[in-house]
Amino acid sequence: GAVVSQHPSRVICKSGTSVKIECRSLDFQATTMFWYRQFPKQSLMLMATSNEGSKATYEQGVEKDKFLINHASLTLSTLTVTSAHPEDSSFYICSARGDSQAITFGSGTRLTVV
Amino acid sequence: SQQGEEDPQALSIQEGENATMNCSYKTSINNLQWYRQNSGRGLVHLILIRSNEREKHSGRLRVTLDTSKKSSSLLITASRAADTASYFCATESGNTPLVFGKGTRLSVIA
Repeated sequence: GAVVSQHPSRVICKSGTSVKIECRSLDFQATTMFWYRQFPKQSLMLMATSNEGSKATYEQGVEKDKFLINHASLTLSTLTVTSAHPEDSSFYICSARGDSQAITFGSGTRLTVV
Repeated sequence: SQQGEEDPQALSIQEGENATMNCSYKTSINNLQWYRQNSGRGLVHLILIRSNEREKHSGRLRVTLDTSKKSSSLLITASRAADTASYFCATESGNTPLVFGKGTRLSVIA
């Protein structure tokens, strides 16, 4: 079946630094990738949708300059949290949709900003 | 925007009992999916039910869908301690992203 690899699974960074999270579709071409954020004991909130080769579409309230999304190829999308602050600490999950229209989730990244 | 509303928010049952979780949504959908998430981990896809289906089974899972009421239920029969997790419904409409409900935290006590 379709597999999405998300890396790193955990990251701790200092306040003010940037962190990049990668999301790769391993055995299919992902025309669309989605990025979600999940705070403790809450549900997944969609941050943005990215299509290969075009700019990401951000949900209302999500700062595009803070959460940079790049979907440069059909198998890779990256989310960069710039100038991270403790309030950005969260669980970030990507998902990918291929030609079959099925959606596959990555295993998530636990970001802790200290 | 968050579409699904689940109830209960938290459910605690004894091992062997059945657990029922409900999900309501607001707009037309192509399908509704249920996911499981263990604490701090990724999502596990459990089952997908299409808008033209009314009931679906998978092992100890039974999902119903009532499009007239815009609601779905997930039943876990003969629960086990290992079923302890958060359960989310998610709806899909066209090519839009999955929209998740708030989830139900299930605790199964041995």
